[in-house]
Amino acid sequence: AQKITQTQPGMFVQEKEAVTLDCTYDTSDPSYGLFWYKQPSSGEMIFLIYQGSYDQQNATEGRYSLNFQKARKSANLVISASQLGDSAMYFCAMREARSGSARQLTFGSGTQLTVLP
Amino acid sequence: DTAVSQTPKYLVTQMGNDKSIKCEQNLGHDTMYWYKQDSKKFLKIMFSYNNKELIINETVPNRFSPKSPDKAHLNLHINSLELGDSAVYFCASSLPRLRGETQYFGPGTRLLVL
Repeated sequence: AQKITQTQPGMFVQEKEAVTLDCTYDTSDPSYGLFWYKQPSSGEMIFLIYQGSYDQQNATEGRYSLNFQKARKSANLVISASQLGDSAMYFCAMREARSGSARQLTFGSGTQLTVLP
Repeated sequence: DTAVSQTPKYLVTQMGNDKSIKCEQNLGHDTMYWYKQDSKKFLKIMFSYNNKELIINETVPNRFSPKSPDKAHLNLHINSLELGDSAVYFCASSLPRLRGETQYFGPGTRLLVL
């Protein structure tokens, strides 16, 4: 079974509008971390936001917020006031504490976001 | 600038050759990683090093060998390159207890095997 599922291969949003990118995860580990990364067409991987499984509040970083619904095992990324520069591939990832010293990230398949002028 | 850097950025080579990709981080992190991104953009962990000790090794062919001369460097050596090795290889680093051990990535090395 896939540990991270991103069901939207592609999304379009109008400039200045908000957009939600979906991510669901599967783990039985009570301690885990969820991450979102942005990969523009230039190819680099840019860290956006982190949510810990024990965090009481949803994480926010500027225009990015993470809608964390633990019972539903979802960690959707919300981008407010979209800009043309937000056009990129977005990856959801998880690190489980059970990975121990391995600390590896498991990635979803990504969502390609296109912001329209 | 503080960052994770990789060299080279592009690597074009013939099948059967041996090549290395270098990675350096000056963030003071103690764990470094190598990921492979395939043509469908799927990212998968290959190796990680913590305090110069290999701590995970996924189902990666033994033609791939990570080498860490010190905590700030994790190089990837690939022997007898095959067509299927063509991909983007990312180095990353992290520090325990820092933002859930957020991993910071290098710019990637685009490997093309002909």
